[in-house]
Amino acid sequence: GENVEQHPSTLSVQEGDSAVIKCTYSDSASNYFPWYKQELGKRPQLIIDIRSNVGEKKDQRIAVTLNKTAKHFSLHITETQPEDSAVYFCAASRAAGNKLTFGGGTRVLVKP
Amino acid sequence: DGGITQSPKYLFRKEGQNVTLSCEQNLNHDAMYWYRQDPGQGLRLIYYSQIVNDFQKGDIAEGYSVSREKKESFPLTVTSAQKNPTAFYLCASSTGRSLEAFFGQGTRLTVV
Repeated sequence: GENVEQHPSTLSVQEGDSAVIKCTYSDSASNYFPWYKQELGKRPQLIIDIRSNVGEKKDQRIAVTLNKTAKHFSLHITETQPEDSAVYFCAASRAAGNKLTFGGGTRVLVKP
Repeated sequence: DGGITQSPKYLFRKEGQNVTLSCEQNLNHDAMYWYRQDPGQGLRLIYYSQIVNDFQKGDIAEGYSVSREKKESFPLTVTSAQKNPTAFYLCASSTGRSLEAFFGQGTRLTVV
């Protein structure tokens, strides 16, 4: 089955700096890669996703890059703000099976 | 108001008891999932269902059971065979087209 590794497990950045979280996956058939943000005690919410037919996707201050050959993808947050503090999860799935396998999560702390 | 609803929000179980967690969605989604989240860890898949009257085991199905008699409902039973059930349980649903998984607000189960 699919295995998703996520690094780092914790990340502390100064407000205004960038944050980068990296994930690797094992199943070469995976072709959908979402990122979820989970604030303390709340449900995970989708912030951005990418499919295997594109290499990069941006939405305002967040972007995701995908390298299918190396089987890794990354989340980039620019100009970080205190409200970006949360736990971020990457995930991978095959479109047909639609079962998401999650990474272990990254706790991001943005210091004012 | 469309969405996915889990109940109860908090649940206490005595050792040796079975308990059932409710998950209902009115999004007309075909697929539904149960994930377990332990402190500081990622989401691990317990069971999933892609269609009514059918479901598959996830990575940690032992000690759990599910049913999918209606499209809107996917209850999870935590049986006495689950030796370490204290955790945060998240239900999710998705369509085959968008692939995005929508999460409920979670149920925090504690064994007392």
